[in-house]
Amino acid sequence: ETGVTQTPRHLVMGMTNKKSLKCEQHLGHNAMYWYKQSAKKPLELMFVYSLEERVENNSVPSRFSPECPNSSHLFLHLHTLQPEDSALYLCASSQGVSGGFSLYEQYFGPGTRLTVT
Amino acid sequence: GENVEQHPSTLSVQEGDSAVIKCTYSDSASNYFPWYKQELGKRPQLIIDIRSNVGEKKDQRIAVTLNKTAKHFSLHITETQPEDSAVYFCAASIDADKLIFGTGTRLQVFP
Repeated sequence: ETGVTQTPRHLVMGMTNKKSLKCEQHLGHNAMYWYKQSAKKPLELMFVYSLEERVENNSVPSRFSPECPNSSHLFLHLHTLQPEDSALYLCASSQGVSGGFSLYEQYFGPGTRLTVT
Repeated sequence: GENVEQHPSTLSVQEGDSAVIKCTYSDSASNYFPWYKQELGKRPQLIIDIRSNVGEKKDQRIAVTLNKTAKHFSLHITETQPEDSAVYFCAASIDADKLIFGTGTRLQVFP
């Protein structure tokens, strides 16, 4: 498997469920991101991790909880979501450098289509 | 924080014509401006980017121009083809890791 992969590709969950989205990058990158893509606000940046450390939390509700155990894996833990959280969740990665960020392309995964019922 | 506006939201052109998409940004400190293309059901992919020390960049049929004074940048596609049909997103950032995206332009190229 190459590039950025995401699982599952589709997820339907109730508002009381707990689920997790998984992202894996096989590009040797040091930075990973979560984006939310919906019809109302396309491509909203949610979280940024650099070298497994969270460097950005873009005012995301606490019902979304990210986890980055290593530079290749990124999770988004979901609990007590609302119907308006239904969207496509995209993971991306890029090559960053310690102590600062070089200007590199972000590679996106295929996304997880989330439906909250 | 940074705010990026993108126009138009939809654009229809005849095959062979040119297409222009415009974006404005609010933070004068932004120094990196990529354009991503997202085909239906697929992931966004970078097609071209420009740094603030350059006014124009071209890659075959695609070009991007940047006006730092006016804080706007544009994507130009010449000799459009049906496979150019997609949603195009502009973005701006101070550091390339914190991209703020525009709302997207749906381009349709009719044969």
